[in-house]
Amino acid sequence: GAGVSQSPSNKVTEKGKDVELRCDPISGHTALYWYRQSLGQGLEFLIYFQGNSAPDKSGLPSDRFSAERTGGSVSTLTIQRTQQEDSAVYLCASSSAQETQYFGPGTRLLVL
Amino acid sequence: GNSVTQMEGPVTLSEEAFLTINCTYTATGYPSLFWYVQYPGEGLQLLLKATKADDKGSNKGFEATYRKETTSFHLEKGSVQVSDSAVYFCALMVRGSTLGRLYFGRGTQLTVWP
Repeated sequence: GAGVSQSPSNKVTEKGKDVELRCDPISGHTALYWYRQSLGQGLEFLIYFQGNSAPDKSGLPSDRFSAERTGGSVSTLTIQRTQQEDSAVYLCASSSAQETQYFGPGTRLLVL
Repeated sequence: GNSVTQMEGPVTLSEEAFLTINCTYTATGYPSLFWYVQYPGEGLQLLLKATKADDKGSNKGFEATYRKETTSFHLEKGSVQVSDSAVYFCALMVRGSTLGRLYFGRGTQLTVWP
């Protein structure tokens, strides 16, 4: 079956611009996670969705970061007023009821 | 709190050598333990997992045993291949939590030479 997909695969933006990253989870997976992978910080948790609600937003690094999930499926991570330190690979994962998380290929974001 | 500590890399081995990557953890509850692998240019893939003490996860010749007494989940392979070159991440998830997020180690880069 289809795995987790993410778009775009690469994004280059200028400092100060807003970006939207999209995640399509595996069909039927109720849990969705966003992580960030950067050289200096390793793999960091950002936010967790169960259905359309986000019971854990504790990993979002600032109020410039927000995410939503609609219809219990697709999720969008938005970064406003991007900064150079936001450059990283943004990973999405989905799972069914706290079982194994399956990861997408990631979106590589570069802020110039 | 919850955290994972992995041995620092990079690790460089010759083909057919024995591999050990150490992983220890601290957890507030009863965790499930995972090893994920990231091949060059690819996303994270689950390599193996174990959900209770003394369980052994295995896949592709890799093994790891959940040791509650030493809070460890070391990854081993008896004979590595060039195709095993990748970054390996140890991770935990606390079961029973409503959140289910993964806590990752920093990753260990493995390079295998022919």
